[in-house]
Amino acid sequence: GDSVTQMEGPVTLSEEAFLTINCTYTATGYPSLFWYVQYPGEGLQLLLKATKADDKGSNKGFEATYRKETTSFHLEKGSVQVSDSAVYFCALRNKFGNEKLTFGTGTRLTIIP
Amino acid sequence: DGGITQSPKYLFRKEGQNVTLSCEQNLNHDAMYWYRQDPGQGLRLIYYSQIVNDFQKGDIAEGYSVSREKKESFPLTVTSAQKNPTAFYLCASSIGRDNEQFFGPGTRLTVL
Repeated sequence: GDSVTQMEGPVTLSEEAFLTINCTYTATGYPSLFWYVQYPGEGLQLLLKATKADDKGSNKGFEATYRKETTSFHLEKGSVQVSDSAVYFCALRNKFGNEKLTFGTGTRLTIIP
Repeated sequence: DGGITQSPKYLFRKEGQNVTLSCEQNLNHDAMYWYRQDPGQGLRLIYYSQIVNDFQKGDIAEGYSVSREKKESFPLTVTSAQKNPTAFYLCASSIGRDNEQFFGPGTRLTVL
């Protein structure tokens, strides 16, 4: 079945550091890929998405590129801020079957001033 | 102001009791979903509904029930048959099944 593997956290960085959170997936066909962010005590918000190979999703300084050859969708940001502290989830949605979202386990990110 | 509301934010229940979690959306979305989130785990799909009066089991439906009598409402009942109900429950909706899902703020259920 479909699955998503994220780098384990927690991740702690200093403000203005470069961020990478790794995400790889296993799926049949050509899934759409997503990054969601969850701030403390809140629901999930869509951060960015990519629907086909080589697409780059971007939002709020975050980027991720859909790499079919390595089945990856790594999240990057050039200079993180304290306000980026949250849990980040990588997810895929397969166009076959019931099109449910399959989530990774989440990566907790803490940015220290 | 469109969005998804879940109530209550925190819910406590005694073991053996059924409890119903509310989810309402005013986004005019056809599809609605219930997920469960446990510490250190991703979200797991409990039930989903693509249209009024229709719903399907997700990956972990045992011990849960839902109804979809109105487009804007998709309540989840956690029954006494659910062996480990303490968790954070998230409701989501989308225009259609291949569109972005929007999430509510969640309900944290604790069984005492």
